[in-house]
Amino acid sequence: GAVVSQHPSRVICKSGTSVKIECRSLDFQATTMFWYRQFPKQSLMLMATSNEGSKATYEQGVEKDKFLINHASLTLSTLTVTSAHPEDSSFYICSALVTSGGFYEQYFGPGTRLTVT
Amino acid sequence: DQQVKQNSPSLSVQEGRISILNCDYTNSMFDYFLWYKKYPAEGPTFLISISSIKDKNEDGRFTVFLNKSAKHLSLHIVPSQPGDSAVYFCAASAQGGANNLFFGTGTRLTVIP
Repeated sequence: GAVVSQHPSRVICKSGTSVKIECRSLDFQATTMFWYRQFPKQSLMLMATSNEGSKATYEQGVEKDKFLINHASLTLSTLTVTSAHPEDSSFYICSALVTSGGFYEQYFGPGTRLTVT
Repeated sequence: DQQVKQNSPSLSVQEGRISILNCDYTNSMFDYFLWYKKYPAEGPTFLISISSIKDKNEDGRFTVFLNKSAKHLSLHIVPSQPGDSAVYFCAASAQGGANNLFFGTGTRLTVIP
């Protein structure tokens, strides 16, 4: 199956700094990738849809100036958390959208645990 | 507004018995449903899916049942194995596939040896 990687797997940063998370499709090209956030014991919440070569589409309530998404190539999307605050501490997961047999499938990365101190 | 709900946060089952995980949804436009399995600090992995034109889909030990009138789906695992212990998320889409997914809050399954 399709493999999606994320880097880093775990990051600790100080409040006010920015941190970049990379999401790569390793053996396929993905024109669409998704970024999710999961708080403890809660569901995965879609933050934004990242489309290669165009601006990301953000879900309601997600600040686009705070969560910068860049999908500059068909295999890489990045999420930059700017001016991070402790409340941004969460598990961030990306996924890549693949069309298979007329149906969409999503392949998820392993996630990035962000801790803001 | 949680459009996909998993009302049981946890479930414990003896090895070899059946595990039944439940999921309810509110949006009648959903036409594709999926179950994902997730281990701690990992991303979800796809398990099984079902289209709204069906009421059952089976794959080995895993069967998903869909009751559209009740807006309810369930995942049956039989026989349950200790390696099945994980958090299971159901997800739904209104776009004929795993696009724009809405996730439930997950059910932690523990299979006791």
